[in-house]
Amino acid sequence: GAVVSQHPSRVICKSGTSVKIECRSLDFQATTMFWYRQFPKKSLMLMATSNEGSKATYEQGVEKDKFLINHASLTLSTLTVTSAHPEDSSFYICSAYKNRAGPSNQPQHFGDGTRLSIL
Amino acid sequence: QKEVEQNSGPLSVPEGAIASLNCTYSDRGSQSFFWYRQYSGKSPELIMFIYSNGDKEDGRFTAQLNKASQYVSLLIRDSQPSDSATYLCAVKVGRQLTFGSGTQLTVLP
Repeated sequence: GAVVSQHPSRVICKSGTSVKIECRSLDFQATTMFWYRQFPKKSLMLMATSNEGSKATYEQGVEKDKFLINHASLTLSTLTVTSAHPEDSSFYICSAYKNRAGPSNQPQHFGDGTRLSIL
Repeated sequence: QKEVEQNSGPLSVPEGAIASLNCTYSDRGSQSFFWYRQYSGKSPELIMFIYSNGDKEDGRFTAQLNKASQYVSLLIRDSQPSDSATYLCAVKVGRQLTFGSGTQLTVLP
């Protein structure tokens, strides 16, 4: 079954709206979660690494004031797209490692993704 | 130069044939290699991972890794129409994954 839950699955809203996406680890604690963005027919691009209890680490070119990440608990990370515009329309996916200190070859488990459409 | 490269396809194979998907990577420090399948509009799901040179088999899927050539592949035997999807190669360095652009596979009935 799913180990990472993401909500909502789809959001359609007007330009200028702020949108919050939740990512939850189910039955395990995730000190680190990852946020990806995927444009149509493109690959997943890592946006940021969410760290429980500390600031997120953003990838080059990702505006931290635009994409606010909060990882206030060991099972929940949120991504808020502030003042969203049509160019922010994309598929946003979160992921986590199930075992914090697991082997280096353990896979990331992905949420079901959030389709964001800004009109 | 892209860090992880895949042939974008589309790759079409008839049902029952072997589908061969290829991936090259640039970082020699890469530790683990993953193949994910992604259906349209869905998030990626893990098919296999490999971290040692050679072949690793799981059912109809075989992953092959050649670190000297910085090459990893995925073979799908007895391809089924339900295998039609985009296949993403992902390479792990540290705790981060870098994805290739994906290969779109179509299995024709």
